[in-house]
Amino acid sequence: GAGVSQTPSNKVTEKGKYVELRCDPISGHTALYWYRQSLGQGPEFLIYFQGTGAADDSGLPNDRFFAVRPEGSVSTLKIQRTERGDSAVYLCASSKGKSFSSGANVLTFGAGSRLTVL
Amino acid sequence: AQSVAQPEDQVNVAEGNPLTVKCTYSVSGNPYLFWYVQYPNRGLQFLLKYITGDNLVKGSYGFEAEFNKSQTSFHLKKPSALVSDSALYFCAGVPQDTGRRALTFGSGTRLQVQP
Repeated sequence: GAGVSQTPSNKVTEKGKYVELRCDPISGHTALYWYRQSLGQGPEFLIYFQGTGAADDSGLPNDRFFAVRPEGSVSTLKIQRTERGDSAVYLCASSKGKSFSSGANVLTFGAGSRLTVL
Repeated sequence: AQSVAQPEDQVNVAEGNPLTVKCTYSVSGNPYLFWYVQYPNRGLQFLLKYITGDNLVKGSYGFEAEFNKSQTSFHLKKPSALVSDSALYFCAGVPQDTGRRALTFGSGTRLQVQP
């Protein structure tokens, strides 16, 4: 597609429930990123995929968070046993190439999925 | 550990005046540095990027930023502000030559341009 698409745009759930957030990157972009943005804060890195594999998952806060990208395109961020502190906007971004050294290689962000845990 | 700081929560400027949004970084070695802008209910949009070479980087919508290694700063500037520039601005960085791809973002600066 023309841009990075994220669904749902808004998700309200109850504490303890399971949630899936989907990201459809720009066609041909091999790298995919998940970030989390809490109110009044900058985005915080969660995980980075190069192709199908998670190249860096050091930002996942705990084992309730998991992400997959089985075919190297669409990615799903999965959150188990949601807590009120998980409420945030979850941002997905994609880019081409493997290095930021190329001037053309920048992250393109989606509009985000706003998660509210009651 | 690396960090990016944006010391001002909000910057107010009159339309037509020059604007500066400040950013300082603490990144091991040489950094890649970025500026992004966020409008309400929209994703972050890339403005410009420092890789290497010329310290003055020109980007989209007339914005530019100056990389200053001695002051570890990467301030965003524009000679003449527009009301439409009002938005939330984020600075981000990542060390070069590590293979690391996780950008560290600052907390953001809200730019308000008054007519």
